[in-house]
Amino acid sequence: NAGVTQTPKFQVLKTGQSMTLQCAQDMNHNSMYWYRQDPGMGLRLIYYSASEGTTDKGEVPNGYNVSRLNKREFSLRLESAAPSQTSVYFCASSQNIRNTFGSGTRLTVV
Amino acid sequence: DQQVKQNSPSLSVQEGRISILNCDYTNSMFDYFLWYKKYPAEGPTFLISISSIKDKNEDGRFTVFLNKSAKHLSLHIVPSQPGDSAVYFCAASWGSARQLTFGSGTQLTVLP
Repeated sequence: NAGVTQTPKFQVLKTGQSMTLQCAQDMNHNSMYWYRQDPGMGLRLIYYSASEGTTDKGEVPNGYNVSRLNKREFSLRLESAAPSQTSVYFCASSQNIRNTFGSGTRLTVV
Repeated sequence: DQQVKQNSPSLSVQEGRISILNCDYTNSMFDYFLWYKKYPAEGPTFLISISSIKDKNEDGRFTVFLNKSAKHLSLHIVPSQPGDSAVYFCAASWGSARQLTFGSGTQLTVLP
């Protein structure tokens, strides 16, 4: 049982480049989330999807877009990367109160 | 404004003693509170939760206490073990999608 799988694990981008972070869960959870974690801070919610076909903004959505491709997959896209988006990104899924997290994507924008 | 605060960035405890991690919140609409444990280069893993209508929840060595009037919760780990050394995040659940708002974390170090 893989849980929540994120790809890639590491990525270096140049300012202005675009990329998509992929996330898939195999627990048949309805809700999925993208968080970012910066040094000395907790995780902050970027976007979430309460169910297949719906997406909503979280606390820090600027510069990002998401797609809930189906019940299993929830992707995060950076259209024009900026150094301020250097962070560790975590995807999570949930059926109740408990979020299950992936192992993260460490993104550096230079 | 931080709705969930963990004011102690770090805590060191001797093995076998009690670890107490604290968390304060401001939003009365939070209906569940959770503690997550995080090791370096891994995602957070769920530890224990408590409903806003309860004041205590236990799971083995871990107990969470909730004081609603003070908007304060704490995680007690007894006895502490070296494997408990990690960053502990307090989180509050809200909304129909059960989104989480996290505190900034406390690095717990359990000394052998």
